[in-house]
Amino acid sequence: DVVMTQTPPSLSVAIGQSVSISCKSSQSLVHSDGKTYLNWLLQNPGQSPKRLIYQVSNLGSGVPDRFSGTGSEKDFTLKISRVEAEDLGVYHCVQATHVPWTFGGGTKLELK
Amino acid sequence: QVQLKESGPVLVQASETLSLTCTVSGFSLTNYGVIWVRQSPGKGLEWMGIIWGDGNTDYNSALKSRLSINRDTSKSQVFLKMNSLQTDDTAIYYCTRGFAYWGQGTLVTVSS
Repeated sequence: DVVMTQTPPSLSVAIGQSVSISCKSSQSLVHSDGKTYLNWLLQNPGQSPKRLIYQVSNLGSGVPDRFSGTGSEKDFTLKISRVEAEDLGVYHCVQATHVPWTFGGGTKLELK
Repeated sequence: QVQLKESGPVLVQASETLSLTCTVSGFSLTNYGVIWVRQSPGKGLEWMGIIWGDGNTDYNSALKSRLSINRDTSKSQVFLKMNSLQTDDTAIYYCTRGFAYWGQGTLVTVSS
């Protein structure tokens, strides 16, 4: 199974600050169809997860452009510019290239 | 609009079988896959499996021997069955379409 290593496990930020979260996979996430199925999700406290980014860098519907995703092969990053209060929660990366699909361990974003 | 809703028992006895239903609306199950994801209390997300639009299934290798996912397209329902439940199967169980649309989740507690 592909192992997704997400760092850091937690982040303490001030509103307006920018932050980055890393997700590294144990093998390349490039699918045989040429696409890279790496998603970023945000789970606000007590809520179902919400998709922020799909296929590495595509913004989900209604997601503010403060969020951006970059990366390739085995190394991926989610950047949040100018953190707002609604951004607090747990961020998850998940790969959907190789079955079984696998999640990172999560990054908890908290207020400083 | 696209909606998913999980339903099933809140409490299950250890060694018994869990049966959950995901009722969807706003799309056809023959066009989209539905994924089951679970989250143990205070833990990360775990991909359980998927039933694709063509009816094929893929499962988490760790759960494969106990898990089955089926559907009734006429009722727009997807079914999860998992046998030999243990207390560490206590979790919130979610169904999702492509991680873009999620149900509200259903908390299942396994009692010994």
